[in-house]
Amino acid sequence: DVVMTQSPLSLPVTLGQPASISCRSSQSLVYSDGNTYLNWFQQRPGQSPRRLIYKVSNRDSGVPDRFSGSGSGTDFTLKISRVEAEDVGVYYCMQGTHPLVTFGPGTKVDIK
Amino acid sequence: EVQLVESGGGLVQPGGSLRLSCAASGFTFSSYWMSWVRQAPGKGLEWVANIKQDGSEKYYVDSVKGRFTISRDNAKNSLYLQMNSLRAEDTAVYYCARDRRSQGYWGQGTLVTVSS
Repeated sequence: DVVMTQSPLSLPVTLGQPASISCRSSQSLVYSDGNTYLNWFQQRPGQSPRRLIYKVSNRDSGVPDRFSGSGSGTDFTLKISRVEAEDVGVYYCMQGTHPLVTFGPGTKVDIK
Repeated sequence: EVQLVESGGGLVQPGGSLRLSCAASGFTFSSYWMSWVRQAPGKGLEWVANIKQDGSEKYYVDSVKGRFTISRDNAKNSLYLQMNSLRAEDTAVYYCARDRRSQGYWGQGTLVTVSS
């Protein structure tokens, strides 16, 4: 199975400041169709997960442009350009390239 | 608007069975892979299983293989998860999600508690 790791696991941030979360996979996430199925999810307290980014860098409809995704192969990053209070929650990366889907352990973002 | 509504959760004793359902609307259900993802209390997300559009391919996380069965009824726009031989470690909120590789839409989840 593909193991997904994230760092840091806890990220206290100051409002208005940038934040960055790293995600690494134990195998390449490039699929045979040329796409890389690395996705990012946000889970606010008490809510269902919500997809923010799909295929590395594509922002979902309604997701603020302060969120951006980048990376390739086995190394990926989610960036928040200026953290707002509503960004508090847990962020997960997820790979859908390999038959058995796997999630990262999650990064908890809160306000300092 | 895409909607996924799970039901069927509850309290069950270890070794018991439960069948979860997910009612889909707002999209052509038969055109999409569907998935189940769970989240134990205070823990992260764990993918459980997924199923191809026509039900011909199914995949499971190792920890549920042989105990859980994913199925679907495209005529009823519904996804199911039959859970047998339940264990305490299966206690979680179970979400259904659309898609195989990108999980674009999620339901609100249904809580399964396995306890005596």
